[in-house]
Amino acid sequence: AQTVTQSQPEMSVQEAETVTLSCTYDTSESDYYLFWYKQPPSRQMILVIRQEAYKQQNATENRFSVNFQKAAKSFSLKISDSQLGDAAMYFCAYRRSHDMRFGAGTRLTVKP
Amino acid sequence: GAGVSQSPSNKVTEKGKDVELRCDPISGHTALYWYRQSLGQGLEFLIYFQGNSAPDKSGLPSDRFSAERTGGSVSTLTIQRTQQEDSAVYLCASSRAPDTQYFGPGTRLTVL
Repeated sequence: AQTVTQSQPEMSVQEAETVTLSCTYDTSESDYYLFWYKQPPSRQMILVIRQEAYKQQNATENRFSVNFQKAAKSFSLKISDSQLGDAAMYFCAYRRSHDMRFGAGTRLTVKP
Repeated sequence: GAGVSQSPSNKVTEKGKDVELRCDPISGHTALYWYRQSLGQGLEFLIYFQGNSAPDKSGLPSDRFSAERTGGSVSTLTIQRTQQEDSAVYLCASSRAPDTQYFGPGTRLTVL
């Protein structure tokens, strides 16, 4: 079974600094998708970034970028120039066909 | 366009009562998912609908839980004889399978 592990229950970053959230996953498949979702206190799950496993190039969305290491089954999220609004729970997710698995989440605090 | 909507936003019920939670997916999305998120936890898959195919019910925790999707659009998750351990946020997501899932704001269920 595919599992997703987020080893950092909590992280903290100073405003305007950079932070990296870790995620590893376990799969025997070669074709799949990886996602990072953000969940603020409003509890709305918001897509931050997605990566197709067949693409070697790391996905980037403005201040958010990933470091996708397929062989190592690692998918970390880097947030640059952190803003107060980035404070939230961040979930890493793996998807193969309709099967989607989520990590336990990392709570990110942004200090002013 | 309109996102995924869920109703009610909050539901408080007494142990033993039945509850119905509703999800309106994004128009044109053929896939619909239900997840459960207990306090401070990640997302637990419950059920998946894809078009007119038989749903994947493998995540439903007990036979007290059921879901249907009428006309390939609106879905209802029903919990019969609610128990206190059913208290959680229930999230619905839709997608153009097998693409990115977009989430609704969730229904917070509290069973007294």
